[in-house]
Amino acid sequence: QQQVKQSPQSLIVQKGGISIINCAYENTAFDYFPWYQQFPGKGPALLIAIRPDVSEKKEGRFTISFNKSAKQFSLHIMDSQPGDSATYFCAASLNRDDKIIFGKGTRLHILP
Amino acid sequence: DTGVSQNPRHKITKRGQNVTFRCDPISEHNRLYWYRQTLGQGPEFLTYFQNEAQLEKSRLLSDRFSAERPKGSFSTLEIQRTEQGDSAMYLCASSLHGLNYGYTFGSGTRLTVV
Repeated sequence: QQQVKQSPQSLIVQKGGISIINCAYENTAFDYFPWYQQFPGKGPALLIAIRPDVSEKKEGRFTISFNKSAKQFSLHIMDSQPGDSATYFCAASLNRDDKIIFGKGTRLHILP
Repeated sequence: DTGVSQNPRHKITKRGQNVTFRCDPISEHNRLYWYRQTLGQGPEFLTYFQNEAQLEKSRLLSDRFSAERPKGSFSTLEIQRTEQGDSAMYLCASSLHGLNYGYTFGSGTRLTVV
């Protein structure tokens, strides 16, 4: 049973455009929703995270939108840059240092 | 502090051999996690430690897998009688329980079983 579903699998965006990645979860006990960025040959790195009591969180060009009733959340990357080309994972856990359940990832490519 | 360190970075082994990986967490971190990531998939949880105590193991961690953290510092993950299906990236992460900063991953050990 996949507890965190992520879409799309891959995404191509023009430089300067907005990249949007969507996720849905099943377990209402999840209390922490991080997004990770992974470059080839590297481990995932925490990008931004949100708790379910907040509907939106913004850090620089990265914004998480959270819809608790729909059990969905999304990552928006504004003014996308070629350096943003990477694989992005949404995830969920019961708290910040509990085990993390990852989505399958979205491979993002930003065209120069 | 240079982050989470994993060794070796790459390991090629023949089917049936035993392999051991090492993870050195960030020095003050008391929690240490092991994940496995196959090509095109997200990382999957294997096990985690708080200090030297192993607190949870996934059903993915078959009897051929064993993890230790003998002194609450570095950890080892051993796979006995490797199978081709064990080929994956093995990721280690660490965190400081209670401070809610989330956790930091290492760059992983890429295992190829031939």
